[in-house]
Amino acid sequence: NAGVTQTPKFRVLKTGQSMTLLCAQDMNHEYMYWYRQDPGMGLRLIHYSVGEGTTAKGEVPDGYNVSRLKKQNFLLGLESAAPSQTSVYFCASSTGQRKNGGELFFGEGSRLTVL
Amino acid sequence: DAKTTQPPSMDCAEGRAANLPCNHSTISGNEYVYWYRQIHSQGPQYIIHGLKNNETNEMASLIITEDRKSSTLILPHATLRDTAVYYCIVRATGNQFYFGTGTSLTVIP
Repeated sequence: NAGVTQTPKFRVLKTGQSMTLLCAQDMNHEYMYWYRQDPGMGLRLIHYSVGEGTTAKGEVPDGYNVSRLKKQNFLLGLESAAPSQTSVYFCASSTGQRKNGGELFFGEGSRLTVL
Repeated sequence: DAKTTQPPSMDCAEGRAANLPCNHSTISGNEYVYWYRQIHSQGPQYIIHGLKNNETNEMASLIITEDRKSSTLILPHATLRDTAVYYCIVRATGNQFYFGTGTSLTVIP
């Protein structure tokens, strides 16, 4: 049981390049989330999904797009990378239940540097 | 969505109980309180959550005040491996989890 897997784990981009981060979960979770974490700061929610085919904006959605074509995958795209998007990106998933757990399960993170 | 306030840092002697406070004065009646911790730059790890009653599991205890405006995470016997950033989060009604800056706990030998 792999849990939540993020690929790639490291990437260096030049300003203006595009890329996609892939998040895969094997727990049949309905909810999936993308966060970014900058040095010395907490996690900020970028986008999330409440089920296959759905996406919604979080706190800091600008400059990012997401897609949830399959229940197990949640993709985060950067169409034109900027240095301000240099960060560590975390994906998480959840059952969405309230009383019985519903906690977030996180991947190990993807470190992105934009030059 | 309810916000949380935590002290930025705390120290605790190894073997003693670590009590981490959190204020969530705008919490709604059906919003749960969750605690996570993050060691170095790893993905955050779930610790415990609760609604009204106090909760205990193998990792920690969660004490929620009767008015639900604050809570305390208790690590009963802190070890060096408990050094981490601890996040208190109020789960929003839309199932979003908004992290603040957390409390950096240092366990001292």
